[in-house]
Amino acid sequence: AQTVTQSQPEMSVQEAETVTLSCTYDTSESDYYLFWYKQPPSRQMILVIRQEAYKQQNATENRFSVNFQKAAKSFSLKISDSQLGDAAMYFCAYRSALNRFSGTYKYIFGTGTRLKVLA
Amino acid sequence: DVKVTQSSRYLVKRTGEKVFLECVQDMDHENMFWYRQDPGLGLRLIYFSYDVKMKEKGDIPEGYSVSREKKERFSLILESASTNQTSMYLCASNSPGLAGGPANIQYFGAGTRLSVL
Repeated sequence: AQTVTQSQPEMSVQEAETVTLSCTYDTSESDYYLFWYKQPPSRQMILVIRQEAYKQQNATENRFSVNFQKAAKSFSLKISDSQLGDAAMYFCAYRSALNRFSGTYKYIFGTGTRLKVLA
Repeated sequence: DVKVTQSSRYLVKRTGEKVFLECVQDMDHENMFWYRQDPGLGLRLIYFSYDVKMKEKGDIPEGYSVSREKKERFSLILESASTNQTSMYLCASNSPGLAGGPANIQYFGAGTRLSVL
């Protein structure tokens, strides 16, 4: 069974600095996606960035980038030039290969990392 | 923009009550999901539905049931609420296969924080 591990329950970063959130996963599949979701306080969860397992190039979205190490099964999120609005709970998530019987995918989430941004 | 709406942000219920949590999406998504979010445990899948009247158990279905009579609406039912069901409940939706794009991103509602006293 697949698992997703976020070993940092809480992180802090100074405004304008860079922070890296860690995520490791375990799977025997070769076809999968990885995601980072952001859940601001009292607001809904939104997608930050995604990575296809078959792509070697690391995904980037403005100030957000990932370090995808497939062999090590590691998927960390780097936030550059941190802003107060980046304060949130961040979840790493794994999407499995297609279940051809049900035509569905399985999504597995980590336990989350709460990011505090200090002014 | 995709909109997933959960009918209540906060609910307070008593032990033994029957509780309905409603979720509506406006993007004609085939798949809908109910998760439970607890500190230190992340999101755990309760049930999901891949079509009208079709459902599958997730990782923690005990004490819950679901209903999907219409494509846009997915209800989570607590038949007899208990204090250990006090939690944040998140609804999500997406489209399968090529229709949803290769990543099949999930779209989430704002959550319902349920307290069972």
